[in-house]
Amino acid sequence: KAGVTQTPRYLIKTRGQQVTLSCSPISGHRSVSWYQQTPGQGLQFLFEYFSETQRNKGNFPGRFSGRQFSNSRSEMNVSTLELGDSALYLCASSLGTFAVYNEQFFGPGTRLTVL
Amino acid sequence: GQQLNQSPQSMFIQEGEDVSMNCTSSSIFNTWLWYKQDPGEGPVLLIALYKAGELTSNGRLTAQFGITRKDSFLNISASIPSDVGIYFCAGQLGQAGTALIFGKGTTLSVSS
Repeated sequence: KAGVTQTPRYLIKTRGQQVTLSCSPISGHRSVSWYQQTPGQGLQFLFEYFSETQRNKGNFPGRFSGRQFSNSRSEMNVSTLELGDSALYLCASSLGTFAVYNEQFFGPGTRLTVL
Repeated sequence: GQQLNQSPQSMFIQEGEDVSMNCTSSSIFNTWLWYKQDPGEGPVLLIALYKAGELTSNGRLTAQFGITRKDSFLNISASIPSDVGIYFCAGQLGQAGTALIFGKGTTLSVSS
């Protein structure tokens, strides 16, 4: 069973540009969550999508947005990039059903560097 | 917002030693999770805890869900070099579909 895949793995952008990251969940998983990981703040939740709808949102500015497609693949977009957006962006997929807990499986992440 | 206080921040131990790390929170969690992250990889789930007081083992790893639901600990017995990595605790506040809140991580170094 293939794991969560994220593309690209590495990305270098300059301030003011925008970027789109892609995540393909494990087959059969309908929930995709995005996290930002930085040395200073650690892992922080961005948002979660389930069945093409944003189900949960973290405390990030509106420059961070996402969407999910009918095949559960998800993209996140960051507009007007700032130096502080440099981070590892992790995507996690899960079944998404309303059980006690649905294990989230993480992808390897996209390393974004903003110059 | 909610925060998880994870300690220690880093540990340097000898192979064969036991390790203990913990997380505390001001909020009550329904689920406590422990993850390990290796360089260049995403976090991998080690242990999931669902009930207050629950004690769960996974090989040399043992974790407990605190009775108050505001804390959890992870023990690693007889450490080996491949235990090196960053260990994170995470809490889930509600049902499936809610965000995971992560601790800042404990970096474990093991010398042989």
